[in-house]
Amino acid sequence: GIQVEQSPPDLILQEGANSTLRCNFSDSVNNLQWFHQNPWGQLINLFYIPSGTKQNGRLSATTVATERYSLLYISSSQTTDSGVYFCAGSTSGTYKYIFGTGTRLKVLA
Amino acid sequence: NAGVTQTPKFRVLKTGQSMTLLCAQDMNHEYMYWYRQDPGMGLRLIHYSVGEGTTAKGEVPDGYNVSRLKKQNFLLGLESAAPSQTSVYFCASSYPNGVGAHQPQHFGDGTRLSIL
Repeated sequence: GIQVEQSPPDLILQEGANSTLRCNFSDSVNNLQWFHQNPWGQLINLFYIPSGTKQNGRLSATTVATERYSLLYISSSQTTDSGVYFCAGSTSGTYKYIFGTGTRLKVLA
Repeated sequence: NAGVTQTPKFRVLKTGQSMTLLCAQDMNHEYMYWYRQDPGMGLRLIHYSVGEGTTAKGEVPDGYNVSRLKKQNFLLGLESAAPSQTSVYFCASSYPNGVGAHQPQHFGDGTRLSIL
C-alpha cells in the first residue's frame, strides 16, 4: 500500500505567523484530504483536494498530483488552529484511505 | 442535523469480553468506515463498507467484525477483547463522486475504549 509522510512532525508558532505543512505520497493518489484534529479529539475535514488549489478563509491547500505531494498553508495563525493536522489519500479504485502520522501544531498567544 | 453519531463515547472492558460499537449517519451516505487511532499515530482503517449489505477489510481487520444491515448504520464488533485493542475508534461516512472518487469524509466524535 501507499506510504504517507508528513512534515514537520511538530510546529510551534506565535499567533499571527504563517506556516506550510507538507504531505508526501509514495504512489499516485486520486483522493486526498486534509483534516484538523482539535484538542478535544474531534476530526474536521478541511479540504478534499486530489489536485489543484483550494482556499477557505485563512487556510489553503495545493496538491501537485504528478509529483505526489500536497501542501497546507495556514496564514495569520490563531490559537484555535492548534491541534494535529492529518493528510490522507487513497489510490485509484480503492476506498482505503491511508493517513499520515500528522503534524502537531501549537499556536502561542 | 446530527451527521455521524457514535455510541458509546467511553467504555471499559475486561479481556475476553465482547461488545459492539454503533455508528449512525443521517446524510444518506453510501460509504462508511471504521478507524482506530493509537497515541501519536494517524488513523488506521479497520473495515469499510461501500453500501448496504457490503463490508470489506482495511489495514488492521484482525480481531474485529462489522455489519451493515441498514444503510445508515455500521456496527463494529469485538468478539473477545484484548488489551491491544485499547484505542480511540472513529467512524466516518462519505458518498461517491464519480468513478474512483468520493466526497470528503465526515467523522463521528470517537469512542474511547479501554481493555483491562
